[in-house]
Order: sequence, then C-alpha cells, then structure tokens
Amino acid sequence: DTAVSQTPKYLVTQMGNDKSIKCEQNLGHDTMYWYKQDSKKFLKIMFSYNNKELIINETVPNRFSPKSPDKAHLNLHINSLELGDSAVYFCASSQGQGGIQYFGAGTRLSVL
Amino acid sequence: AQSVSQHNHHVILSEAASLELGCNYSYGGTVNLFWYVQYPGQHLQLLLKYFSGDPLVKGIKGFEAEFIKSKFSFNLRKPSVQWSDTAEYFCAVNAGNMLTFGGGTRLMVKP
Repeated sequence: DTAVSQTPKYLVTQMGNDKSIKCEQNLGHDTMYWYKQDSKKFLKIMFSYNNKELIINETVPNRFSPKSPDKAHLNLHINSLELGDSAVYFCASSQGQGGIQYFGAGTRLSVL
Repeated sequence: AQSVSQHNHHVILSEAASLELGCNYSYGGTVNLFWYVQYPGQHLQLLLKYFSGDPLVKGIKGFEAEFIKSKFSFNLRKPSVQWSDTAEYFCAVNAGNMLTFGGGTRLMVKP
C-alpha cells in the first residue's frame, strides 16, 4: 500500500483552466503539506495542515486553495492556471509538525 | 527566517569515489536535520535524520552525516559511491515546525 498517494500523476491543461490535485495518506499522520518543485528542482512549501486546520500558508497566490476534508486528505485546487504554475507538486505527511515527512510521488503539472 | 545552503549544485564522480555534500543552515535554536534523496522521476525519500544525541548519524545505503553545531553544518558522506547513487540530494532543516529545503545537489556517478 502506498503511504502517501497523489492523483493524478500527470496533468496537462490550458491556461485559464481550474484543476485539482488530490492527496491521501494512510499513515495515520495528523499533519499534511503541499510543496512546489520548480524546473530547477527547488522545493518550497506552500501549505501545511494540522488536524484539518491551516497552520502554514506561505506566499502563494490566492488562486491556490487547499482543502482538508479530514486528517487523511489534503487536496489542492488551482483556479485560472498560469504558465508559471507548471511544476511538480508534492504532497507530504508527518506525525506532528516536527516529525519526519513522507512524500507522495508528485504530480507533474504542465500548463500550455 | 531560516535558510539552508547546499554549496555544490552539481557533482560528478566515478564509481568507488568518496562523496561529501555540504549543507549549512541559518537558525540559532534547536533544529531537526534531514537528508532526502530523489532518484530520477521519483519522489523524495528519507536518507537519514538527526534529532538529538550522537552527531554522527547513519542512514540507508551506506550514507552518513555529521552535525557540527558550531558550524551550523550537516554534511552528507559516503565512502564509496555507486552508479545507482545518481540522484538529487536535498538537505532540509526543521525549525519552528517548518521544513526548509536547500537548493539540492545533483550527483552523477559515472560507471
């Protein structure tokens, strides 16, 4: 069983569209994260949720909205996609905010 | 704000060569330190971690890292690399409950 799973793995879409990426973890962790990895492999945190509550919200455009329906899920919805949104998005989870983070396989988003 | 620096962006080695990747961070308080590896096309996997105790930590696949508090460093080492170690390596620091990554080091091992 995959510990942290993301869907879809690849997402190709046009500028201006709205898309969602889903993330689920079966590790029983209470904290989940979204990271963006750009073309130069630089990883930057976007959001963090602890027990369904937003605890980290880095400087991210309002077009990005995370939603955590329960502790095991953290979805990312992106409105009005732009070329610069093209990247690999990783979901992660941990037990506690300082714990080891386990990453999903990533979602490669390409905006044309 | 905390920051993490990895000095080597690209490293090319021949098999059996020794490896040392540098990592420095800026944060004055207590930190948890990590090295993650990302093999081509794959997700990040934990190589090793330091929370407390012995500053020399051993991880998977023969990797080790040494935490030197006075130098704010957590360098990654491996005595003899293999072709299968070709990957991107990320140092990360957790302080104040936020994980900050370094820019990564791309390691290529020539067979």
